[in-house]
Amino acid sequence: AQSVAQPEDQVNVAEGNPLTVKCTYSVSGNPYLFWYVQYPNRGLQFLLKYITGDNLVKGSYGFEAEFNKSQTSFHLKKPSALVSDSALYFCAVRASYSSASKIIFGSGTRLSIRP
Amino acid sequence: DTEVTQTPKHLVMGMTNKKSLKCEQHMGHRAMYWYKQKAKKPPELMFVYSYEKLSINESVPSRFSPECPNSSLLNLHLHALQPEDSALYLCASSQEYSGLDYEQYFGPGTRLTVT
Repeated sequence: AQSVAQPEDQVNVAEGNPLTVKCTYSVSGNPYLFWYVQYPNRGLQFLLKYITGDNLVKGSYGFEAEFNKSQTSFHLKKPSALVSDSALYFCAVRASYSSASKIIFGSGTRLSIRP
Repeated sequence: DTEVTQTPKHLVMGMTNKKSLKCEQHMGHRAMYWYKQKAKKPPELMFVYSYEKLSINESVPSRFSPECPNSSLLNLHLHALQPEDSALYLCASSQEYSGLDYEQYFGPGTRLTVT
């Protein structure tokens, strides 16, 4: 069975500092990994994805994520946090072994950037 | 146009009412989804339509009835709901369901309150 874990319910960072939001996964075969962001009272917004190739993936709003196969992780990072980055972040995974595999979302991490 | 629209934004209904949620996309996507999201939780998949046919029903109670009139529209008909059905209902679309690497585009959601 596939699963994804976001071990931190909340991450607090000062504006201008680097941020990391953690995600680990468990799937059979190769994973397709996604990060989504949700601002208050809004739907989810796609940030970036890892399919294959370069382990460092760049996405929207200056975010990037690093795929680490040995640690089964896909942490979201940004070199310099903005107050406007404060939101709820979801990691998601789909397994590649079947076209019927479903997307599984992590429990979410609330990112709070203080001025 | 990379937008998924949902109407209404807010809906309050009694347990004996019948109402419908509507979703529309004009990106040419052939997969459309309904999710239910409780506060501070990840979205829970309810239904998937692929090429206008119902592909996945995640054992959703029959008081929720999806409909896909054409490739751009998705409806969710509601009848005899319970207070615990109060949630944010999200619609999403993607290029195809079987394309495992396709990201989903989410609408802003309908905030449903059942009284």
